[in-house]
Amino acid sequence: DQQVKQNSPSLSVQEGRISILNCDYTNSMFDYFLWYKKYPAEGPTFLISISSIKDKNEDGRFTVFLNKSAKHLSLHIVPSQPGDSAVYFCAAKDSGAGSYQLTFGKGTKLSVIP
Amino acid sequence: ETGVTQTPRHLVMGMTNKKSLKCEQHLGHNAMYWYKQSAKKPLELMFVYSLEERVENNSVPSRFSPECPNSSHLFLHLHTLQPEDSALYLCASSQDLSGLGIEEQFFGPGTRLTVL
Repeated sequence: DQQVKQNSPSLSVQEGRISILNCDYTNSMFDYFLWYKKYPAEGPTFLISISSIKDKNEDGRFTVFLNKSAKHLSLHIVPSQPGDSAVYFCAAKDSGAGSYQLTFGKGTKLSVIP
Repeated sequence: ETGVTQTPRHLVMGMTNKKSLKCEQHLGHNAMYWYKQSAKKPLELMFVYSLEERVENNSVPSRFSPECPNSSHLFLHLHTLQPEDSALYLCASSQDLSGLGIEEQFFGPGTRLTVL
């Protein structure tokens, strides 16, 4: 049973517009969430994270929103650029003592059209 | 470049072969991880090492055998694999394995393994 779900396998967005990638989770013990970005033939690279004590974290063009009651988070990219085209993975963690495992979603492939 | 390298990048092997995947991190990290990514599945954690001690084995079959000779190197020894083991194998490292905070994991580019 998947604990982290990215229900959209792909997303196409026009350059300059907003990209919204969604992620849902089922485990209420998750209290820290990360987004990773992966280009073909490369490993995932860390993009942005958010703790459950916050509902928003912003870093430049990237903003992550967390809705704990809905167990939902989203990554907003604005404005979208062609270089943002990649697979985006949502990951979650229960940061309690001894728990270091990241649980990943299947990923969403973002295509930004020039 | 994330500071984590993996070799080989591609590997094709028969079910009776023995091969090894190598991972090296140049970041001075103390924790290293092996992940498996099969087609249309999420990344699955296989093994975790902290200060060269294995701390996690996520019910991985014994045909996968990890080795961590020092904090910079991690190997995954493969023998008598099955075609369903074909996947992308990713190595990652993080500064520590506190479990109490968030340690960002840095990933290598992966080894694309095909088992015939």
